[in-house]
Amino acid sequence: QKEVEQDPGPLSVPEGAIVSLNCTYSNSAFQYFMWYRQYSRKGPELLMYTYSSGNKEDGRFTAQVDKSSKYISLFIRDSQPSDSATYLCAMTAGGFKTIFGAGTRLFVKA
Amino acid sequence: KAGVTQTPRYLIKTRGQQVTLSCSPISGHRSVSWYQQTPGQGLQFLFEYFSETQRNKGNFPGRFSGRQFSNSRSEMNVSTLELGDSALYLCASGSGVGLSYEQYFGPGTRLTVT
Repeated sequence: QKEVEQDPGPLSVPEGAIVSLNCTYSNSAFQYFMWYRQYSRKGPELLMYTYSSGNKEDGRFTAQVDKSSKYISLFIRDSQPSDSATYLCAMTAGGFKTIFGAGTRLFVKA
Repeated sequence: KAGVTQTPRYLIKTRGQQVTLSCSPISGHRSVSWYQQTPGQGLQFLFEYFSETQRNKGNFPGRFSGRQFSNSRSEMNVSTLELGDSALYLCASGSGVGLSYEQYFGPGTRLTVT
């Protein structure tokens, strides 16, 4: 079993939809959680960074962490075609040895 | 502030050769991590350097090595290349101090081994 599980998709939604991306993990030591967006042929770009359970909002993006369920989510409101990319969840117990999910490919259709 | 830069961007090597990749972190960042990204395995952690010392290491064979210089620039070396080493190699930088573990990635070096 992988330490971090993420459905690779692809996920296809119409423009304006609310998108929900999720990851589960098995290591209860993970405390820091991140979401990255990666466009084709580019490096991952940090979107959200959270510590501990709860919600964090940044514009159209909301990151949610539920440590009791070992479950994290990223919500994208009013999705745009420019949001089409691969979204990677990532987490660490502390330190820079970060474990990434497989990434979910998202397509937002105009 | 300039981002993370990696050189070269593309590389084609033959099996058995060795290769050196370079990474310049964001100014002021002292931590540099290296990752391998492949379609089958996703993003996998290779190692992390902080102040010229390897601080963390992933589960890769000894053919993969790295180093960091006093100006925080880092190099990664792969010896005796195998076909399976074809991948996108990503470098990420972070402040490396306190409880801040955000990392900022460069564009990557795409290595093809033939």
